[in-house]
Amino acid sequence: DAKTTQPNSMESNEEEPVHLPCNHSTISGTDYIHWYRQLPSQGPEYVIHGLTSNVNNRMASLAIAEDRKSSTLILHRATLRDAAVYYCILHLWGTYKYIFGTGTRLKVLA
Amino acid sequence: KAGVTQTPRYLIKTRGQQVTLSCSPISGHRSVSWYQQTPGQGLQFLFEYFSETQRNKGNFPGRFSGRQFSNSRSEMNVSTLELGDSALYLCASSSTGYTEAFFGQGTRLTVV
Repeated sequence: DAKTTQPNSMESNEEEPVHLPCNHSTISGTDYIHWYRQLPSQGPEYVIHGLTSNVNNRMASLAIAEDRKSSTLILHRATLRDAAVYYCILHLWGTYKYIFGTGTRLKVLA
Repeated sequence: KAGVTQTPRYLIKTRGQQVTLSCSPISGHRSVSWYQQTPGQGLQFLFEYFSETQRNKGNFPGRFSGRQFSNSRSEMNVSTLELGDSALYLCASSSTGYTEAFFGQGTRLTVV
């Protein structure tokens, strides 16, 4: 089954950029890469998604490797409110389901 | 507009009992999916419904079932509860099942 691999935890200083890596070597050509984050006692919150090209939105940027076997979520200026568990997810086309990884717990230091 | 609403937020049940959880999706969304979150297994897909039809099901025993109504509201049912069913159950809605999904806050089920 498709899966993603992420570091268990990362730390960042406030107002500095954060690069969260994800490996998904078993990805298929039609699988989308999604990123969600989960704050304590909350459901996951959508961050960004992409297929092949790099993507930007108001929350973050997503850089996808040319072979699509890895991707990086970029938070341009981390704030204390960005402290959460970040999940790199494969959305398998035609299956209507997300395959969640174990997530990276991001700690932001003031 | 209102987000995804899950009820109840907390439940305590006894082994062997059954439980029904409810999810009201965002207005206009026709796809509803369910996930189980536990410390050991993380987030695992249970099933997805679109226009009252189940389109996919995860690897869970038949004790886990769900349904969707014509107004897109969904319920999931767990029969013959086991201690291992204690988890946070999350519902997510999207317009088609391919677009961005919005998650509810979940129902925390504790089986004693």
